[in-house]
Amino acid sequence: KAGVTQTPRYLIKTRGQQVTLSCSPISGHRSVSWYQQTPGQGLQFLFEYFSETQRNKGNFPGRFSGRQFSNSRSEMNVSTLELGDSALYLCASRSTSQGRNTEAFFGQGTRLTVV
Amino acid sequence: DQQVKQNSPSLSVQEGRISILNCDYTNSMFDYFLWYKKYPAEGPTFLISISSIKDKNEDGRFTVFLNKSAKHLSLHIVPSQPGDSAVYFCAAVYPGGGADGLTFGKGTHLIIQP
Repeated sequence: KAGVTQTPRYLIKTRGQQVTLSCSPISGHRSVSWYQQTPGQGLQFLFEYFSETQRNKGNFPGRFSGRQFSNSRSEMNVSTLELGDSALYLCASRSTSQGRNTEAFFGQGTRLTVV
Repeated sequence: DQQVKQNSPSLSVQEGRISILNCDYTNSMFDYFLWYKKYPAEGPTFLISISSIKDKNEDGRFTVFLNKSAKHLSLHIVPSQPGDSAVYFCAAVYPGGGADGLTFGKGTHLIIQP
């Protein structure tokens, strides 16, 4: 069973640009969450999608957005990039929305560097 | 406001000894807790979890203890092995289904000394 796949693995963008990151969850998983990891803040929750609907959102500005497609693949978009957006962006999938007893499986992440 | 806190950024333990990683939380609404392990350039991988109705869960070398009154949990690894060197994240979940994201601590870098 293939794991969570994130593309691209590495990305360099300049300030002011926008970027789109992609995540393919484990087959059969309908819940996809996005996290930002930075050295100072650790792992922070961005948002979660289930069945193409955003179910929950973390404390990030509106420049961060996402969507989920009917095949459960998800994209996140960051517009007007800032230097502080440089981070590892992780995607996680879960089998159901009832995640109490199901752990999230993470992809390898996309390392975004904003210069 | 950090709702899940891992106050030790790093921990060094000798191979074969017990590693104890600590985690504190402030929100009493959390009812499910998980530990993840992360190697550089890889995504976190799930290690072990515990529901708030339990105070201990064991899986091989890994045991998680939960003290609800103190809002504290700990991960014990015994015996510690070189491959255990990684960053360990504690995470917590709100009740009401998995639609809520995981709230992570900032991680503890565990270093196993030979």
